[in-house]
Amino acid sequence: SQQGEEDPQALSIQEGENATMNCSYKTSINNLQWYRQNSGRGLVHLILIRSNEREKHSGRLRVTLDTSKKSSSLLITASRAADTASYFCATPDQTGANNLFFGTGTRLTVIP
Amino acid sequence: DAGVIQSPRHEVTEMGQEVTLRCKPISGHNSLFWYRQTMMRGLELLIYFNNNVPIDDSGMPEDRFSAKMPNASFSTLKIQPSEPRDSAVYFCASSARTANYGYTFGSGTRLTVV
Repeated sequence: SQQGEEDPQALSIQEGENATMNCSYKTSINNLQWYRQNSGRGLVHLILIRSNEREKHSGRLRVTLDTSKKSSSLLITASRAADTASYFCATPDQTGANNLFFGTGTRLTVIP
Repeated sequence: DAGVIQSPRHEVTEMGQEVTLRCKPISGHNSLFWYRQTMMRGLELLIYFNNNVPIDDSGMPEDRFSAKMPNASFSTLKIQPSEPRDSAVYFCASSARTANYGYTFGSGTRLTVV
């Protein structure tokens, strides 16, 4: 399976702290994407990092990619209660099919 | 744009009944995906369409499941007959080009089969 795995499965932090989530995947990729899912809602695309990039920023989000280790991390700085959600990494199907494989997700809880 | 629109938001039905879930993708997006999400199995791709044509339905669990996309602005996922193990949240997503550019998801349909 190409499905990625996030680590940890659940994370609980205080508001203002940084949150780091990790993703490991199995096959070669040309990009990796992170999504957020609020309770009872669909997934929202956060950021995409290409295989030739090592780090990318978007607001309070910082994503790193290490293709040699087949891993990525998502850092949320200065967390807020509104960041409470599940976070998923996703990788494109490398067989040429036009679909994404989603990881198992990290459930982040930010305590006010 | 109103985003990807799914209906209904919630559906409760009795075992054996037919269920039809609906999706309107974002205008101009040429790829549409149906996913199922459960606690046990996470997000599973059921089927996806490119330019209204089904490309990969290998994720459809059984013949009880079928999906159609009669035009670029509408798709349905049908379960007939429904079973309690079909209870899940079903998401529709669309994409402008390929999976390399990210998906836009609908809010999902929570299906409960009793």
